[in-house]
Amino acid sequence: AQSVTQPDIHITVSEGASLELRCNYSYGATPYLFWYVQSPGQGLQLLLKYFSGDTLVQGIKGFEAEFKRSQSSFNLRKPSVHWSDAAEYFCAVGARGGGGNKLTFGTGTQLKVEL
Amino acid sequence: DAGVTQSPTHLIKTRGQQVTLRCSPISGHKSVSWYQQVLGQGPQFIFQYYEKEERGRGNFPDRFSARQFPNYSSELNVNALLLGDSALYLCASSLPREGPVNEQYFGPGTRLTVT
Repeated sequence: AQSVTQPDIHITVSEGASLELRCNYSYGATPYLFWYVQSPGQGLQLLLKYFSGDTLVQGIKGFEAEFKRSQSSFNLRKPSVHWSDAAEYFCAVGARGGGGNKLTFGTGTQLKVEL
Repeated sequence: DAGVTQSPTHLIKTRGQQVTLRCSPISGHKSVSWYQQVLGQGPQFIFQYYEKEERGRGNFPDRFSARQFPNYSSELNVNALLLGDSALYLCASSLPREGPVNEQYFGPGTRLTVT
């Protein structure tokens, strides 16, 4: 069964500073990886996805993520954080099995941005 | 274009009662998935439906059931509510196709409180 670990529960960065959120996955086959962001009281918004090909993927809002198979990681990065980026971030791995198409999420990383 | 819509936004029920939550997918999307997000956790997969058939089920008891209608909207039903069912229930829609797992687009969720 697939699983996702997000080691950092909370992260605080200053506005303008760079950001890296860690994600490690466990999955027996080729992983399909996603990052979502959730603002308070809101649903999840898809930031970016990795299916295959180039291991550095670009997403919305200036985010990027790098897939490293040898480390089973898919870390999210942003060169300069804006105050509006404060939210909770979820990494997820997708799997097909039993005819279904499901996402398995990590427990999330809460990002706080200091002005 | 309208995104995924869910109703109601908030709901308060008493233990032992039954509840029905509703979801309308993005126009053109034929697959709907349901997730439960308990406070402080990542979403957990409950069901996926495509073409009115259940295509995947997570580790949830039989008190949870769902269905999909010809217009691809969906309902999630939970019987004999327990306090532990209090959560944000998220609906996601996707375009089913062969190959990689599809990216899923989430609605704002229904906040269910069981007292």
